[in-house]
Amino acid sequence: QQQVKQSPQSLIVQKGGISIINCAYENTAFDYFPWYQQFPGKGPALLIAIRPDVSEKKEGRFTISFNKSAKQFSLHIMDSQPGDSATYFCAAGETSGSRLTFGEGTQLTVNP
Amino acid sequence: NAGVTQTPKFRVLKTGQSMTLLCAQDMNHEYMYWYRQDPGMGLRLIHYSVGEGTTAKGEVPDGYNVSRLKKQNFLLGLESAAPSQTSVYFCASSYLSGLLNTEAFFGQGTRLTVV
Repeated sequence: QQQVKQSPQSLIVQKGGISIINCAYENTAFDYFPWYQQFPGKGPALLIAIRPDVSEKKEGRFTISFNKSAKQFSLHIMDSQPGDSATYFCAAGETSGSRLTFGEGTQLTVNP
Repeated sequence: NAGVTQTPKFRVLKTGQSMTLLCAQDMNHEYMYWYRQDPGMGLRLIHYSVGEGTTAKGEVPDGYNVSRLKKQNFLLGLESAAPSQTSVYFCASSYLSGLLNTEAFFGQGTRLTVV
């Protein structure tokens, strides 16, 4: 049973465009929502994270939007660059917990 | 500053063979995890540990065992490998800062093929 559903599975965007990846969760106890970025042959690395006391968090070209009532959150990549081509994973966990539940992953390709 | 180091990076096993994957972290983290990554299924937690001498089951623990005898090391064992265990395995570590969950640091992965 997948507690965190991620879409789309793959995404192709032109350079300069906006990439949007969506996630939905089921467990209302989740209150920590990170996004991880993974390049081929590497382990995932934290990109940006949000806690539900805010509805949006922005770091450079990357923004997380959070909708608590809908139990959804999304990653927006503005001005997408070829170097952003990677697999992106959303995740959810409890602030005071030790475990994260990951989404299925989105393979992003940014064409030059 | 190595971070999280996994050994080996690649391995091919025959069905029924056993092996141990080693994870070592030099960040003094309390928590350590083993995940497997399969296409279209994301990262699934196999086992994890919240401190030296402790282990707990994750989402997909069957066919695997773990041990955390030292804080810096977390071992994943396959007693009798099956083709369904062909996957990329990732180790990760993290710490709690007060009551806040924090960043998980991942190793480079171990690509395991069971034939």
